[in-house]
Amino acid sequence: DVKVTQSSRYLVKRTGEKVFLECVQDMDHENMFWYRQDPGLGLRLIYFSYDVKMKEKGDIPEGYSVSREKKERFSLILESASTNQTSMYLCASSFGQGGLGGGYTFGSGTRLTVV
Amino acid sequence: AQKITQTQPGMFVQEKEAVTLDCTYDTSDPSYGLFWYKQPSSGEMIFLIYQGSYDQQNATEGRYSLNFQKARKSANLVISASQLGDSAMYFCAIEPRYGQNFVFGPGTRLSVLP
Repeated sequence: DVKVTQSSRYLVKRTGEKVFLECVQDMDHENMFWYRQDPGLGLRLIYFSYDVKMKEKGDIPEGYSVSREKKERFSLILESASTNQTSMYLCASSFGQGGLGGGYTFGSGTRLTVV
Repeated sequence: AQKITQTQPGMFVQEKEAVTLDCTYDTSDPSYGLFWYKQPSSGEMIFLIYQGSYDQQNATEGRYSLNFQKARKSANLVISASQLGDSAMYFCAIEPRYGQNFVFGPGTRLSVLP
């Protein structure tokens, strides 16, 4: 069964901490994505990557960075966590250029609370 | 720019009844894909059903079917024989063009009543 695994389901961090959210997929997918989800705002794309060592800004990249050193792993980094980054974070992956019904496969999400 | 509209923030349905969740989209691309995802309270996004813009028939997957009306740019999800486990958020999404990123709608929260 194909899988996208996010390392933590729940995370509590202090303001100013550097936070790493890890995402690993075992489907040999080229594309990986990080979204945050907030009530009333839906899913918003933070960063995405179409290849190893490649990254592109999404709609809300401010305050975040990413790393993709290996094809299967896509890390989201909060350089200095702030309370407004309290949110649900979802990682997703897709094959090649997507489309043709392949869709995105999502991880189970990380609920991050910054105090 | 592509856009997805889901006009029903919340819906209620009686167990065992059918329910339709609305989705309209806006795109100028001739080729695109439409997806529905379910998100239970646990948080994971679960793929339900896919419809390609050139597919002649409406997609079906078990109790899920997609009422695709291309001229009206609508892709409504129909759930037959609702179950309590269907209570969740449901998101409609469009892949505007082969290789482009998805655009998600705001979601509809479905509550199935016993």
